[in-house]
Amino acid sequence: QVQLQESGPGLVKPSETLSLTCSVSGGSVTGYYWNWIRQPAGKRLEWIGRIYSSGRTIYNPSLESRVTMSVDTSKNQFSLKLTSVTAADTAMYYCARIGNDHYDDFDFWGQGTLVTVSS
Amino acid sequence: DIQMTQSPSSLSASVGDRVTITCRASQYSNSYVNWYLQKPGKAPKLLIYAASILHAGVPSRFSGSGSGTDFTLTISGLQPEDFGTYYCQQSYSIPRTFGQGTKLDIK
Repeated sequence: QVQLQESGPGLVKPSETLSLTCSVSGGSVTGYYWNWIRQPAGKRLEWIGRIYSSGRTIYNPSLESRVTMSVDTSKNQFSLKLTSVTAADTAMYYCARIGNDHYDDFDFWGQGTLVTVSS
Repeated sequence: DIQMTQSPSSLSASVGDRVTITCRASQYSNSYVNWYLQKPGKAPKLLIYAASILHAGVPSRFSGSGSGTDFTLTISGLQPEDFGTYYCQQSYSIPRTFGQGTKLDIK
């Protein structure tokens, strides 16, 4: 059973960079697309972007100027960096795998990590 | 962006009821719609992908239908463990987008 686990600081100051890592166990990052999705409290889910195990990325255009994703196949993990954060970036951040390349369904998710942007 | 609008936003139903949740896409989405259930404090879980294909391990009381812009999730014979918030999500175009959610309470 594939398991994903997010890690990173729970508190980030405004204008600084949010950095999260998703560690994958029970399976390999190779050959799959990996995603970051966030959810502000009480709001709908927002897709941030995805990265393939080769390093190819696609980002949400609304965040593209501030987002960088990377993958480390040797460590079986992938990462998210979001620059110049504001309070609007406060959310639960999830990593998720795409199970079916054709239909882009998110079949495995991490438990989520809460990131608060505050001074 | 494709906007996904769910209805109703919330509902209460009894064990054994048949429940239907609808999702409308603002643009043509073929059959590229997935459904998830999120319980409080937990990550969403995939129920249905490609509008009508049941994800592995999901009970057969869940079913999905639709194509184009209108999609439906049906629960036939509601069980106590089915409470939570249901989300639809389109994977037809970038960016991937989700509906606002339908909160289902068990009476």
